Amino acid sequence: DAGVIQSPRHEVTEMGQEVTLRCKPISGHNSLFWYRQTMMRGLELLIYFNNNVPIDDSGMPEDRFSAKMPNASFSTLKIQPSEPRDSAVYFCASSPDSDTQYFGPGTRLTVL
Amino acid sequence: AQSVTQPDIHITVSEGASLELRCNYSYGATPYLFWYVQSPGQGLQLLLKYFSGDTLVQGIKGFEAEFKRSQSSFNLRKPSVHWSDAAEYFCAVGAGGADGLTFGKGTHLIIQP
Repeated sequence: DAGVIQSPRHEVTEMGQEVTLRCKPISGHNSLFWYRQTMMRGLELLIYFNNNVPIDDSGMPEDRFSAKMPNASFSTLKIQPSEPRDSAVYFCASSPDSDTQYFGPGTRLTVL
Repeated sequence: AQSVTQPDIHITVSEGASLELRCNYSYGATPYLFWYVQSPGQGLQLLLKYFSGDTLVQGIKGFEAEFKRSQSSFNLRKPSVHWSDAAEYFCAVGAGGADGLTFGKGTHLIIQP
């Protein structure tokens, strides 16, 4: 299995631009999670889906952030408009409805 | 609200020496506990997990952790570290099932030759 796939691995954009991060979970996994990692705040859960349905988005920092999971094989995290404080590493993880989450390699986002 | 504290931001250990990384959690019910490792520029890899049963759990790469309910701790140990163990280590707690995890801030492990 290829594991959780995230794209792009690195993204550099300018303030005000729209950013879309992509995630392909491990086949057969029912749950998908988006996390953000910064030096100041560590790893934070942003949102998670179960069977493609958003279950808890209380960690989404503000309305500029949105996430979708149109099918079991794909999810996006969108930031519009982006701001420099959004610079972070964004991780996607998936779980086979058990208690173990498998993480992707992350997307390093830099907003200038 | 659940929380995880890793009191040591950095730890330096000589190669071949033993290692213990501390983790304390706050959780209202029976916790599901995890240790993950992150190498530079990489994602998180699961080392081990505790859900129930034997309080001493074995993981990959020779790591083990002991759950102590009375101390709300889940410390990670390794009897003899290797230079390749240098990485960031994260302790996490969850409710079980398809639920998000709460992570500690991490401990950066440095291995001296």
